[in-house]
Amino acid sequence: SQTIHQWPATLVQPVGSPLSLECTVEGTSNPNLYWYRQAAGRGLQLLFYSVGIGQISSEVPQNLSASRPQDRQFILSSKKLLLSDSGFYLCAWSVGTGGTDTQYFGPGTRLTVL
Amino acid sequence: GQQVMQIPQYQHVQEGEDFTTYCNSSTTLSNIQWYKQRPGGHPVFLIQLVKSGEVKKQKRLTFQFGEAKKNSSLHITATQTTDVGTYFCAGNLLDDYKLSFGAGTTVTVRA
Repeated sequence: SQTIHQWPATLVQPVGSPLSLECTVEGTSNPNLYWYRQAAGRGLQLLFYSVGIGQISSEVPQNLSASRPQDRQFILSSKKLLLSDSGFYLCAWSVGTGGTDTQYFGPGTRLTVL
Repeated sequence: GQQVMQIPQYQHVQEGEDFTTYCNSSTTLSNIQWYKQRPGGHPVFLIQLVKSGEVKKQKRLTFQFGEAKKNSSLHITATQTTDVGTYFCAGNLLDDYKLSFGAGTTVTVRA
């Protein structure tokens, strides 16, 4: 069966510090991978998605970046965090060519920037 | 761009009562998906509707996809405390990897 891991579960970082969140998927090959951010009490904002190694599509211009160094690894990074980067970061995966894919979410990372 | 609107934003329900949440898209969708997020948790896939006018049931939950494939609804009967959480609808276009999520309906239940 497929599983998705995210770490850390919670993170408190000062403004201006770097960020690295990691997501890995097990039990499937060549998944589509996604990073979402959810502000407190709000909906899901798609940040990045990737359909293959080294292929990253950015949905929202900001101080975040994503990389996919391996087939089942997706990393979200920032060089300098802003207060507005606080939120619940969710990684998700799907398998397919788009249009009807179901997305499966990881447990998320709660980031607080102080 | 594609937008998915969801109403109401909040739903306060007396235990045992029914309620419905609605989802509307500005464009025709290839499918609609529903997810549930429990407080403090992550979204969990509930169901996918693909066909025009499709209706699916999961126990006390009834999901419907509109004839024009631009709207959907989730109806819950005899609400229980286990129904607490935020329900998201999400839709995408054919051959599009991206899902557009609604803002969600957050459900609280009065015992």
